Amino acid sequence: GAGVSQSPRYKVAKRGQDVALRCDPISGHVSLFWYQQALGQGPEFLTYFQNEAQLDKSGLPSDRFFAERPEGSVSTLKIQRTQQEDSAVYLCASSFPPGTAYEQYFGPGTRLTVT
Amino acid sequence: DAKTTQPTSMDCAEGRAANLPCNHSTISGNEYVYWYRQIHSQGPQYIIHGLKNNETNEMASLIITEDRKSSTLILPHATLRDTAVYYCIVRVATGANNLFFGTGTRLTVIP
Repeated sequence: GAGVSQSPRYKVAKRGQDVALRCDPISGHVSLFWYQQALGQGPEFLTYFQNEAQLDKSGLPSDRFFAERPEGSVSTLKIQRTQQEDSAVYLCASSFPPGTAYEQYFGPGTRLTVT
Repeated sequence: DAKTTQPTSMDCAEGRAANLPCNHSTISGNEYVYWYRQIHSQGPQYIIHGLKNNETNEMASLIITEDRKSSTLILPHATLRDTAVYYCIVRVATGANNLFFGTGTRLTVIP
């Protein structure tokens, strides 16, 4: 079946521009996560949704970062007034807890470059 | 979630077993050991997880020591496509806990 998809795959933004990154999770998956991965580092948690409710946004680095999932399916990560330090790969993952396994399925990521 | 320690990098000859170690000396009784890998330019991929017992699936085997303070991921016959960064993560397998990846082990399979 279809996996997690993300768009665009690549985004170049000039410093100060706003960007919106989209995530289409696996159909029926309740949980959705956003991660940020800097070059040479492991992914770092940004925020978590259960259906449409944003239950954890402790990893968002600043108030320029905003995420939403209004209908409990597609999610959008928005970054306002982008800065060079925002350059990273943004990964989306979804999961539907099958007992205790709770594995997360990741999309290919969106590579954001801020110039 | 408990912290894990992994070697930065490892090499393995194609066709041989790749044994990737992970230390998690502060693991709690209700924390599982998970392994994910990330092939270049792709998102992380789940491999296997376990609590106490050794586990095996079509991708790999997971060996957890009796005191649960360390574990080893075994790829029995490594191929070039197994070249990736491998992440060992310990976490409670309930609720909606996010994953703490660390920097992982970069495994290079050599022809």
